[in-house]
Amino acid sequence: DIQMTQSPSTLAASIGDRVTITCRASQSISSHLAWYQQKPGKAPKLLIYGASSLQIGVPARFSGSGSETEFTLTISSLQTDDFASYYCQQYNTYSGTFGQGTKVENK
Amino acid sequence: EVQLVESGGGLVKPGGSLRVSCAGSGFSFRSYSMNWVRQTPGKGLECVSSISGTSSYIYYADSVKGRFTVSRDNANNSLYLQMNSLRVEDTAVYYCTRGGMVRPFHPWGQGTLVTVSS
Repeated sequence: DIQMTQSPSTLAASIGDRVTITCRASQSISSHLAWYQQKPGKAPKLLIYGASSLQIGVPARFSGSGSETEFTLTISSLQTDDFASYYCQQYNTYSGTFGQGTKVENK
Repeated sequence: EVQLVESGGGLVKPGGSLRVSCAGSGFSFRSYSMNWVRQTPGKGLECVSSISGTSSYIYYADSVKGRFTVSRDNANNSLYLQMNSLRVEDTAVYYCTRGGMVRPFHPWGQGTLVTVSS
């Protein structure tokens, strides 16, 4: 199975900060990488797919990059609504492995 | 609007069985692979089972293989997960989600809580 390693597990940031989360796949997944946002008590919400394509309705301050095994999610200017947990996921195989998650907290 | 609605969660004793269901609407259900993803506080998100549109391909995570059975009824736009020999560690919120195999998981249902406890 493909393993997804996400870092950091927790990140403390302030409003307006640039935030970067990284995700590494144990083998090549091409660009079949998605990022999800999850708030407490809610289902995950798709933010980015195809490593860098923004899902409809997601603010442009979110962006994704990378390919093969190294990927990055960037929030260009952190807003109040962005305090949440973020997960990467490979969908190159049916196992659909997720990263361990990153909780973005208010500094 | 594309929508997924889970049902059937609840409290069950270790060794017991439970079936959770997912009703899809707003899209061509038979055209998409579907998945069950669970979330526990300790282990994050885990895709426990996936099924292709025609049920020709089925995936199970090692943690549930031999105990869980996924199925779908395309005529009624429904997805099912039959869970047998349940263990305490199967306690989780179970989400139904569309996608998989070169498609991202989107959207997700609201989730249904399965609690395995004596």
